[in-house]
Amino acid sequence: GEDVEQSLFLSVREGDSSVINCTYTDSSSTYLYWYKQEPGAGLQLLTYIFSNMDMKQDQRLTVLLNKKDKHLSLRIADTQTGDSAIYFCAPESDYKLSFGAGTTVTVRA
Amino acid sequence: DGGITQSPKYLFRKEGQNVTLSCEQNLNHDAMYWYRQDPGQGLRLIYYSQIVNDFQKGDIAEGYSVSREKKESFPLTVTSAQKNPTAFYLCASSLDRGTKGYTFGSGTRLTVV
Repeated sequence: GEDVEQSLFLSVREGDSSVINCTYTDSSSTYLYWYKQEPGAGLQLLTYIFSNMDMKQDQRLTVLLNKKDKHLSLRIADTQTGDSAIYFCAPESDYKLSFGAGTTVTVRA
Repeated sequence: DGGITQSPKYLFRKEGQNVTLSCEQNLNHDAMYWYRQDPGQGLRLIYYSQIVNDFQKGDIAEGYSVSREKKESFPLTVTSAQKNPTAFYLCASSLDRGTKGYTFGSGTRLTVV
């Protein structure tokens, strides 16, 4: 499968913005997704971006895509305690998703 | 409400035994997937099926088997050949690539005792 790299941990103060970064290797990825996982649960789709877009905004979430560098980021504005979770970047290629190890976001008061 | 159901939530298996994990969806999705999740390693694809009666190996298929006799169901059997089966197993389904991504079940945690 495709290689997907994410930093493992991010600590952010409540009310600040969080930025989670992701790099991937397959330039033919068409859709790139962000998923959220809370402890002991499945994955919840947060947002996605199509490969011909540079940016997508969805309420507090902003996704940036640099296709040339194969770099994807997720910005969460006004981070809340309920945003504490593991976040996965998942590019799609050939109808299959590949996942990074996930970034554990901890929100501190 | 439509969704994807995995059962059981927790499963204990003795070494040398086969065990089957259930995955059922009522979303009318064509494609179904099994992933394994280990701490610090993210999700790895075990098997996937894009249509009834057809399935393909993913990246870590050794020691696992699947069947797809019905559109709604995609059970995963963890055989005694799987050397390190203790993990969190996630099933997912999708209608097609695109704006809705995959829908995931809530997972089954398998522990070998």
